[in-house]
Amino acid sequence: NAGVTQTPKFRVLKTGQSMTLLCAQDMNHEYMYWYRQDPGMGLRLIHYSVGEGTTAKGEVPDGYNVSRLKKQNFLLGLESAAPSQTSVYFCASSYIDGSNQPQHFGDGTRLSIL
Amino acid sequence: GQQLNQSPQSMFIQEGEDVSMNCTSSSIFNTWLWYKQDPGEGPVLLIALYKAGELTSNGRLTAQFGITRKDSFLNISASIPSDVGIYFCAGQKAGANSKLTFGKGITLSVRP
Repeated sequence: NAGVTQTPKFRVLKTGQSMTLLCAQDMNHEYMYWYRQDPGMGLRLIHYSVGEGTTAKGEVPDGYNVSRLKKQNFLLGLESAAPSQTSVYFCASSYIDGSNQPQHFGDGTRLSIL
Repeated sequence: GQQLNQSPQSMFIQEGEDVSMNCTSSSIFNTWLWYKQDPGEGPVLLIALYKAGELTSNGRLTAQFGITRKDSFLNISASIPSDVGIYFCAGQKAGANSKLTFGKGITLSVRP
């Protein structure tokens, strides 16, 4: 029972490099989310998706792009990585985005930008 | 943006002690959630609260949805070493596209 799986688990990038973080869920959830977690900041929403083919901006979307080509996958892209994007990135999913439908989280991707 | 306030940032208790954590907001929420994050892992849902005044237990954990809908608390009884971690509260307002708002978390340490 995999739940929400994030790959890779760790990555080190140089400033200006690009990369894509992958999130996969096997629970047939409609909604998917990307958060970043920084010390003392809690979880901040980057982008989210309400269904296949849709994406929307969250609280801190600048410098990131996302795509939801398949219902089970949600990709987070960094086109030109910056040191300020050093963080732990969490993906989450839920059936619908409302009360009574808690979000389930992956184990995170630890990203360092040098 | 809207914020949920959790304090203190860190708590240190002795094994066997009870501990209580509060989460407060200036806004009303329709749902309150408590998550725990173990080192190197993602947050895991502990308790979900959906009605003002609701009191819900999950083993040694008890959480309440405040009557004013602006706060919630989590109580852990008879703490054990594996209770160590970061405890986040999260609130959600009514509405189809309402997103979760997270507190900054409280790091709990349990001394054996």
